[in-house]
Amino acid sequence: NAGVTQTPKFRVLKTGQSMTLLCAQDMNHEYMYWYRQDPGMGLRLIHYSVGEGTTAKGEVPDGYNVSRLKKQNFLLGLESAAPSQTSVYFCASSRNLYEQYFGPGTRLTVT
Amino acid sequence: DAKTTQPPSMDCAEGRAANLPCNHSTISGNEYVYWYRQIHSQGPQYIIHGLKNNETNEMASLIITEDRKSSTLILPHATLRDTAVYYCIVPNYGGSQGNLIFGKGTKLSVKP
Repeated sequence: NAGVTQTPKFRVLKTGQSMTLLCAQDMNHEYMYWYRQDPGMGLRLIHYSVGEGTTAKGEVPDGYNVSRLKKQNFLLGLESAAPSQTSVYFCASSRNLYEQYFGPGTRLTVT
Repeated sequence: DAKTTQPPSMDCAEGRAANLPCNHSTISGNEYVYWYRQIHSQGPQYIIHGLKNNETNEMASLIITEDRKSSTLILPHATLRDTAVYYCIVPNYGGSQGNLIFGKGTKLSVKP
């Protein structure tokens, strides 16, 4: 099992550019999540999904969109990147709500 | 989420047991205690969870007091690779989103 994988690992964007972060899991989990972690701070939930074809807003959804077309994939999109979105992005998946398995993270810098 | 209180940092000698305490005095009867850790620059890692009975898995043991107001995570034989920030979390089951609130945790330093 690869667990939870994230693509890409690193990315530098200019302000206004767009990109999509891909999260994939091979554990057949129903729930998937996107968090962001800023330096010295805890994780904050951006969006989550309780099953294929469903998405919902978390704590800090503004500026992001998500899609869950396949059960194993959860995509996070930035339509017009801003410097405030410089962060480390973690994807997680779970069979139940709170036993979550995290990916290695994507380090995004917006200049 | 029920509030949890953890010491900001602890040291442990390699090979010794690491005992990490957590206070959760406002925990409700049906709320579980979850433990995660985050090794530097990596994603958080689920360790263990429990309700009221003591729990053990391949990574750690979780001891919950009878009144459930505190718990202790035990790493029986700490190694240098156990150096990480350890988070004690009591999720609010009234929410449906699975949002884990990571506080400041305890920074465990395992020393040779």
